[in-house]
Amino acid sequence: DTEVTQTPKHLVMGMTNKKSLKCEQHMGHRAMYWYKQKAKKPPELMFVYSYEKLSINESVPSRFSPECPNSSLLNLHLHALQPEDSALYLCASSQEGGRGGELFFGEGSRLTVL
Amino acid sequence: GEDVEQSLFLSVREGDSSVINCTYTDSSSTYLYWYKQEPGAGLQLLTYIFSNMDMKQDQRLTVLLNKKDKHLSLRIADTQTGDSAIYFCALNNAGNMLTFGGGTRLMVKP
Repeated sequence: DTEVTQTPKHLVMGMTNKKSLKCEQHMGHRAMYWYKQKAKKPPELMFVYSYEKLSINESVPSRFSPECPNSSLLNLHLHALQPEDSALYLCASSQEGGRGGELFFGEGSRLTVL
Repeated sequence: GEDVEQSLFLSVREGDSSVINCTYTDSSSTYLYWYKQEPGAGLQLLTYIFSNMDMKQDQRLTVLLNKKDKHLSLRIADTQTGDSAIYFCALNNAGNMLTFGGGTRLMVKP
């Protein structure tokens, strides 16, 4: 299994809603990532988990809250988002100790904030 | 920080070769990558090159690395309509995180 699975594929939410994005991988990877991608732009790193511990937070606003319940799962909890947070949210995983940057990406969750 | 630049757009005819270019400023990267993103999808790792190599060939893909000029290129031979996508070059930095270029949109005309 070489897939990273993200759900939901599409999400529309209001600014007062609370929702979550989910990501799952069964490749035994111990590093997992959240990226945000706006249209026609490269992905921007948000968070990195290494061995289920948050290792990098790229100054992301607190309305985005990551969670890594176990080594296969990564969640991104969303609360009080703004319309400018509308984007494609990509999850990725990689082997620890592998070539840095060899990431396996999911298909993404396209988020629209009204 | 690392600055990675790509041209925005490339259009080729089916069957021709495509060459996508990437320039960067920081030469400390160990690996340099090419990712492909099709519409509405995530990124797919196409190929990579180790920084002590000049060239790597993988079927229709050829990666060239000129460390002196800090220039990376991806050549796609016999380009097909299925190759139409956005191509990102990416470099790993000292913290082993990726820095992406802005992406090059490749359009293949029949």
